[in-house]
Amino acid sequence: GAGVSQSPSNKVTEKGKDVELRCDPISGHTALYWYRQRLGQGLEFLIYFQGNSAPDKSGLPSDRFSAERTGESVSTLTIQRTQQEDSAVYLCASSLGPPGTEAFFGQGTRLTVV
Amino acid sequence: KNEVEQSPQNLTAQEGEFITINCSYSVGISALHWLQQHPGGGIVSLFMLSSGKKKHGRLIATINIQEKHSSLHITASHPRDSAVYICAVYRGQKLVFGQGTRLTINP
Repeated sequence: GAGVSQSPSNKVTEKGKDVELRCDPISGHTALYWYRQRLGQGLEFLIYFQGNSAPDKSGLPSDRFSAERTGESVSTLTIQRTQQEDSAVYLCASSLGPPGTEAFFGQGTRLTVV
Repeated sequence: KNEVEQSPQNLTAQEGEFITINCSYSVGISALHWLQQHPGGGIVSLFMLSSGKKKHGRLIATINIQEKHSSLHITASHPRDSAVYICAVYRGQKLVFGQGTRLTINP
């Protein structure tokens, strides 16, 4: 596609439920990143994929968070047993080359846990 | 102290004014991004710099690697420039973000 696409754009879920967030990067982009932005706060790194492997998952806040990438394309961020503090905008970005090359961001998924 | 500090945090100006947003960082970096985030939340990459100066339309970005400082300038500012401007640096494999500068341009 022309840009990074994320779905859904908005998700409201009940506390304790699992959610899956999807990211379609720009075709051919080997690097993919997930970030989180809580209300009124800056962006936080979650995980980085190079191809289908994740050399850096140091930003995942707990073992309730996991992510995978398949076909060097689509990535899914899964949050299990959601908590209210998980409410945030989850942003995906991709880049053609390794870290240090220009990153392009999706519109984000706004997750609200009630 | 954050690794990436932006100033000011908030900036309100009149249409036509020259705008400067500053970014200082405390770690060695390979590159620096300037990003624009509109109220809907989407983020657009404005520039990526590793040295010198870049210009795109009314936007100019400069970086001084020795001083660990970058500036984003907007000439002839317009209300549509109102957004949050974010500085981010590559440290290893991840981007580390500043807190953002909320810019409001009044007509």
